[in-house]
Amino acid sequence: QVLLVESGGGVVQPGRSLRLSCAASGFMFSNFGVQWIRQAPGKGLEWVSLITFDGSTTYYADSVKGRFTISRDNSRNTLYLQMDSLRPEDTAVYYCAQVLSGVYVAWGQGTVVTVSS
Amino acid sequence: EIVLTQSPEFQSVTPKEKVTITCRASQSMGSSLHWYQQKPGRSPVLLMKYASQSMPGVPSRFVGRGSGTDFTLTINGLEPEDAAVYYCHQSSNFPITFGQGTRLEI
Repeated sequence: QVLLVESGGGVVQPGRSLRLSCAASGFMFSNFGVQWIRQAPGKGLEWVSLITFDGSTTYYADSVKGRFTISRDNSRNTLYLQMDSLRPEDTAVYYCAQVLSGVYVAWGQGTVVTVSS
Repeated sequence: EIVLTQSPEFQSVTPKEKVTITCRASQSMGSSLHWYQQKPGRSPVLLMKYASQSMPGVPSRFVGRGSGTDFTLTINGLEPEDAAVYYCHQSSNFPITFGQGTRLEI
């Protein structure tokens, strides 16, 4: 059974940093791309970032480019999102998702990030 | 960027009714359009991939159609547990985008 468990969320002041983690189990993590998607309170889904199976290629939404860094450690079956220069508009539930042929076949339960002074 | 526009944004329906949600893309994208269901307080769940391929375990009342720029998700014979927000999602081009969501109230 595929399991994705996000952690690392919390309350942080604007301009500060936070690192999210997503621990994966139940599948061969190193064979799959993984992504971060976020959902602001009461809003829809917003794609944030993708990393390919081997970590060689990354993609970012314009709204986070230059501030967020996605990475992965296949030896630890873990995905990361380093978030720097956080803004109030980054407040959201952050989900990691397993990608198969462009489709998000499994999602974590999400971790809440609140950016507020 | 491919913009996905869903309609309606909200619909109040009764059990056993049929409802159709439309997702229109700002440019042609073949069949790289997928549907997710999100219930309150829960993570999204994949319902349909590549426009019309239903995921295992999804009831047969969910039917996806379309290609190019116009896609639909039809729910035949609504059940109370179908109350949720439904999102379309395109994986054809970066940036990856989602529709704004359609909330079904039953």
